[in-house]
Amino acid sequence: EAQVTQNPRYLITVTGKKLTVTCSQNMNHEYMSWYRQDPGLGLRQIYYSMNVEVTDKGDVPEGYKVSRKEKRNFPLILESPSPNQTSLYFCASRWGSGPSYEQYFGPGTRLTVT
Amino acid sequence: QQQVKQSPQSLIVQKGGISIINCAYENTAFDYFPWYQQFPGKGPALLIAIRPDVSEKKEGRFTISFNKSAKQFSLHIMDSQPGDSATYFCAASSNRNSGYALNFGKGTSLLVTP
Repeated sequence: EAQVTQNPRYLITVTGKKLTVTCSQNMNHEYMSWYRQDPGLGLRQIYYSMNVEVTDKGDVPEGYKVSRKEKRNFPLILESPSPNQTSLYFCASRWGSGPSYEQYFGPGTRLTVT
Repeated sequence: QQQVKQSPQSLIVQKGGISIINCAYENTAFDYFPWYQQFPGKGPALLIAIRPDVSEKKEGRFTISFNKSAKQFSLHIMDSQPGDSATYFCAASSNRNSGYALNFGKGTSLLVTP
């Protein structure tokens, strides 16, 4: 089944404790990205990657890191999480970099930073 | 800065009625306008999309109306059903956008009552 998977689905952590949210897709997609979803703000892009070893900042990159060492994986790293990073996070992928390719979203990771 | 403005924030429609969600944009470079549907606990999924060379696109009960001169587009759900209850996001993008990011509206929570 074609899908984007994220782990963990739920995470509660404390301020400053480094964490990684994994994202994997099995569709051989070139383009992957991370979004955060906050009430009243919609979805905002954090980082994106157009291919292996090619990453760039989205609209809200502060406090986040990413890497793309393999085509299928695109982990999101919070080196020193803060309470304002409490949010619902979605990984997404699509076939090519052009926006008209359908974008597939993962099921989401709900992160709480206390 | 929100590049796509979406209204209303929430909407209650009776079963069988028409649900209408509106979006407006400023960036004339946008050339791809998708709508995403999100059920609770799930990631957004592409519902229907339109390019500005047509004024309307219909897929089943879902129709996008597009007004290029007014820089507005809307989603119409005909014969709304309780199963349509979800959050709907409009989005816009351009091949000239850095990273070809999808710019999302803030979302509309739709409730269809029996």
